[in-house]
Amino acid sequence: EVQLVESGGDLVQPGRSLRLSCAASGFTFDDYAMHWVRQAPGKGLEWVSGISWNSGSIVYADSVKGRFTISRDNAKNSLYLQMNSLRAEDTALYYCAKGTVPRSYTVTTFDYWGQGTLVTVSS
Amino acid sequence: DIQMTQSPSSLSASVGDRVTITCRASQGIRNDLGWYQQKPGKAPKRLIYSASSLQSGVPSRFSGSGSGTEFTLTISSLQPEDFATYYCLQHNSYPQTFGGGTKVEI
Repeated sequence: EVQLVESGGDLVQPGRSLRLSCAASGFTFDDYAMHWVRQAPGKGLEWVSGISWNSGSIVYADSVKGRFTISRDNAKNSLYLQMNSLRAEDTALYYCAKGTVPRSYTVTTFDYWGQGTLVTVSS
Repeated sequence: DIQMTQSPSSLSASVGDRVTITCRASQGIRNDLGWYQQKPGKAPKRLIYSASSLQSGVPSRFSGSGSGTEFTLTISSLQPEDFATYYCLQHNSYPQTFGGGTKVEI
């Protein structure tokens, strides 16, 4: 059974940093692209960042480019999101999501999602 | 960026009704579209991929159609467990973009 478990969400002040983690199990982690998707309270879904199976391709939404860094450790079956210079508008539930095509750079949908970790940016 | 315009933003329906939700892309995306269902406090669940392929385990009352710029999600006979918010997602190019969502209410 595929499981994605996010952690690291917290209440932080504007301008501070936070690192999110996603622990994956139930599939061959190093075969698939992984993504972060967020949802502000009461709002819709926004794709944040994606990383290919081998970290050879990394992409970001314009809203986080230059502030957030996605990475993965295939030996630990883990995905990360380093979030710097946080702003109030980064307040959201952050989901880790799995891509669908193994060992591909193709842009794909997401077939499995974690339950999310809440990031609140407020003074 | 490709914009996804989803309509309606909300609808009221009854059990047994046929429900149709539409997504329009700002440019052609072939069939690179998925549909998701989200219930309160839960992660999104994929219903449809490649515009019209039913995700394994999803009831056959859900169907998707379309190609290019216009796509439709249809629930043929609404069931109590279908009351939720539905989103489309284009994956033709980065950044992947979601529609604004459709809340299906009783």
